[in-house]
Amino acid sequence: GAGVSQSPSNKVTEKGKDVELRCDPISGHTALYWYRQSLGQGLEFLIYFQGNSAPDKSGLPSDRFSAERTGGSVSTLTIQRTQQEDSAVYLCANKLNGGADTQYFGPGTRLTVL
Amino acid sequence: EDQVTQSPEALRLQEGESSSLNCSYTVSGLRGLFWYRQDPGKGPEFLFTLYSAGEEKEKERLKATLTKKESFLHITAPKPEDSATYLCAVQAGSNYQLIWGAGTKLIIKP
Repeated sequence: GAGVSQSPSNKVTEKGKDVELRCDPISGHTALYWYRQSLGQGLEFLIYFQGNSAPDKSGLPSDRFSAERTGGSVSTLTIQRTQQEDSAVYLCANKLNGGADTQYFGPGTRLTVL
Repeated sequence: EDQVTQSPEALRLQEGESSSLNCSYTVSGLRGLFWYRQDPGKGPEFLFTLYSAGEEKEKERLKATLTKKESFLHITAPKPEDSATYLCAVQAGSNYQLIWGAGTKLIIKP
């Protein structure tokens, strides 16, 4: 597609369950970010992928969070044993490459942990 | 510490009433300043990138300007469809991460 897509658009889960969020990036855009946006807050960096380089995981808030990017394309963010404080919108963004500046965002996944 | 602060947090205007949103930053080695628009339930939509003090960019009713300490997003004769949250972000040095402000929620009343 022409833009970044994310699925599901909404996810409601029970505390303690695992969830998997998906990002389908723009074709040919090698740099990919995951962010978390809590209500009324700015964007919180989670993880960055660039080509075949080791990802920057410095923003992941705990070891319950992990992400992978298969074949330099689709990325999944996994949250294990979800907690209520994990409730937020999770956004995926692409850049053309590591040197380019502008990030293009997907629509996000709204996660609600009951 | 690198920081981005947006003000005001919220702004209510009448249709046609022009105003400005502020983004103040303290970073070492500004590489670029970005403005995004975010509608409820959607991801941020790219508006502008500014790279150096004195630079200005325009798009329809929006004009972004940049100084060494802050950026302004000027909105001229706004319409209700301009209602959104406007986000500012800064990229510093060789760091690929953006530093984000908390946003300004703009409401334009008809």
